[in-house]
Amino acid sequence: EAGVTQFPSHSVIEKGQTVTLRCDPISGHDNLYWYRRVMGKEIKFLLHFVKESKQDESGMPNNRFLAERTGGTYSTLKVQPAELEDSGVYFCASSQGTTSYNEQFFGPGTRLTVL
Amino acid sequence: GNSVTQMEGPVTLSEEAFLTINCTYTATGYPSLFWYVQYPGEGLQLLLKATKADDKGSNKGFEATYRKETTSFHLEKGSVQVSDSAVYFCALNTPGGATNKLIFGTGTLLAVQP
Repeated sequence: EAGVTQFPSHSVIEKGQTVTLRCDPISGHDNLYWYRRVMGKEIKFLLHFVKESKQDESGMPNNRFLAERTGGTYSTLKVQPAELEDSGVYFCASSQGTTSYNEQFFGPGTRLTVL
Repeated sequence: GNSVTQMEGPVTLSEEAFLTINCTYTATGYPSLFWYVQYPGEGLQLLLKATKADDKGSNKGFEATYRKETTSFHLEKGSVQVSDSAVYFCALNTPGGATNKLIFGTGTLLAVQP
């Protein structure tokens, strides 16, 4: 069974440009999460989808970030316009349920560098 | 609010040395506690977890015990190997919600030398 995949693995863009990150969860996982690790700090929660609906987007830093999950399958996270402080590693995770017994499986992350 | 504090790295050890990575937490309710590991070039993997006080999680020779009285979940291994070199993250979930989002510490880089 394929794990969580993310694309691209690396992205280098100029300040002010737009970048779109993609996450493909494990097949059958209704729950999809986005997290971010900035500058070697803690990994922070961004948002949570259940199927195509946003269950919790309390961690989204501002309105330059837009996440979608049309059809409840893959998800995209768009940053527009990108700022220097958006640099970091963006992780996606998926799980079958939302209890502590439902492990979140993580992708390898997308390293975003904004110059 | 809920938070996780773990020891700063990097931690550099010789092969077969004993490892401890400290983790303490602040949380309302009764969270579950986790250790995740990120090997070079890979994503986060769940290493072990404990869902209630006094539970011990274990995997691949690593252990951690959920200590409610000290709000700690320290990671230990009796004899590390070079292949254990990775970044280790302590985390907790947020109990009672519909999200089960994870709250992570800052990560501790472990480098094991032969």
